[in-house]
Amino acid sequence: GQQVMQIPQYQHVQEGEDFTTYCNSSTTLSNIQWYKQRPGGHPVFLIQLVKSGEVKKQKRLTFQFGEAKKNSSLHISATQTTAVGTYFCASPDTGRRALTFGSGTRLQVQP
Amino acid sequence: SAVISQKPSRDICQRGTSLTIQCQVDSQVTMMFWYRQQPGQSLTLIATANQGSEATYESGFVIDKFPISRPNLTFSTLTVSNMSPEDSSIYLCSVDAGADTQYFGPGTRLTVL
Repeated sequence: GQQVMQIPQYQHVQEGEDFTTYCNSSTTLSNIQWYKQRPGGHPVFLIQLVKSGEVKKQKRLTFQFGEAKKNSSLHISATQTTAVGTYFCASPDTGRRALTFGSGTRLQVQP
Repeated sequence: SAVISQKPSRDICQRGTSLTIQCQVDSQVTMMFWYRQQPGQSLTLIATANQGSEATYESGFVIDKFPISRPNLTFSTLTVSNMSPEDSSIYLCSVDAGADTQYFGPGTRLTVL
């Protein structure tokens, strides 16, 4: 089945620093989605990228989809403590609605 | 957006017993999904549940261990049968939110002793 690799596994930043997590696939993805899971919570949909080279922004968050549609990144600028949680990328399996999730990046923010 | 509830929110069970988890959605949805999230890990799809048909299980998950019901378009159950400590996980239901995206329920945190 489809596999999506995500790095880093864990990142600890000081408040105000930037943070980036990356997802890579060996196959072309129809779309890629990003979810955030707060500690003790459930995954919450953040955004979906569909087009090659697409860039979307949500406040301090910038999402990119690679030109080959095989990789994606989530960048947070000037991280705040509210950003704490685990960020997952996910992509639908070919021909199905089911999602394959990346391994996640757990973000800790030091005040 | 759909509002999803799960019951129970958490439970502690003895090995060898079974637990049925309920997932209720406030609107009719065609596709519902069940995921497992082991401690500190990512989400793994257990099965896809469509109303009126048998659930479709992913590799490594079998109906005898994780029977699923989908009696209508707003409700589904997942049973974790003959539990062992290795079944300690968060079990999440989700629904198709359109354009391949999903809304997740709050999860059921299961500990098996």
